[in-house]
Amino acid sequence: DQQVKQNSPSLSVQEGRISILNCDYTNSMFDYFLWYKKYPAEGPTFLISISSIKDKNEDGRFTVFLNKSAKHLSLHIVPSQPGDSAVYFCAASSYSTSGTYKYIFGTGTRLKVLA
Amino acid sequence: DTAVSQTPKYLVTQMGNDKSIKCEQNLGHDTMYWYKQDSKKFLKIMFSYNNKELIINETVPNRFSPKSPDKAHLNLHINSLELGDSAVYFCASSQGYQETQYFGPGTRLLVL
Repeated sequence: DQQVKQNSPSLSVQEGRISILNCDYTNSMFDYFLWYKKYPAEGPTFLISISSIKDKNEDGRFTVFLNKSAKHLSLHIVPSQPGDSAVYFCAASSYSTSGTYKYIFGTGTRLKVLA
Repeated sequence: DTAVSQTPKYLVTQMGNDKSIKCEQNLGHDTMYWYKQDSKKFLKIMFSYNNKELIINETVPNRFSPKSPDKAHLNLHINSLELGDSAVYFCASSQGYQETQYFGPGTRLLVL
C-alpha cells in the first residue's frame, strides 16, 4: 500500500532550465510534506518542507507547491545546476497510532542535470 | 564533526549470524530513528526512540532489536540474519516528533 508515490523514476533536464519533480499521495491525513535529496553512498539530506496549511514554500532556487484537493505536490528547481543531480525523495508525515509522527517516503526520482 | 554517524558503513555476513549497527548523533536531538531501504528503494521506518523510550515499532521481525543507551545513541542488533535482511539501513535524528529528520550515511548490509 504505497501512500506516497513518485511515478517518474528519472528525469533529465538541461542546465539552467527548470526541473519539476512530482509526488502524489493518497492519505488525506498527511499534514506535513518534505523533500529530501540523496547523493550516492550518502544519507538523504533535507531540502525543503511545506505544511498542509500552505500551498507554496520557497527557499532560494527551490519551491514546493502543494495541491491538497489533488493530493499532489511538486518541487521546482530554477535554475537547475549540475550539482542538483541526485535522487529526490518526497515524504509525508502523519500522526501514527503510537502517538507520534512518522514519515512515509516515496521511491524517489533520479534527476540528472546536463551541462 | 559528522552530525549523524553510523558504523560500519558496509557489512557482509553469512546467513544465521548476529550483527549490530551503531548510530550516534551529536546534534543534541532527543528523537532517533532506524529506517530500512530495500532493493526496490522503499525507505521505511522501523523504529523510533524518544529520550531512550521506544515510540514507534513498525511491523518488524523481533529478530531486530533496537537499543538506546542514551539520547545520542541508537543501536540496531539483528539476530539470525536472513537473505531478505540485505538492505541499506539508515539512522536519523530530530529535535521533536515532527521536526526535520537528519540522516546518517547508511550501512549497507549484505547477507550471503
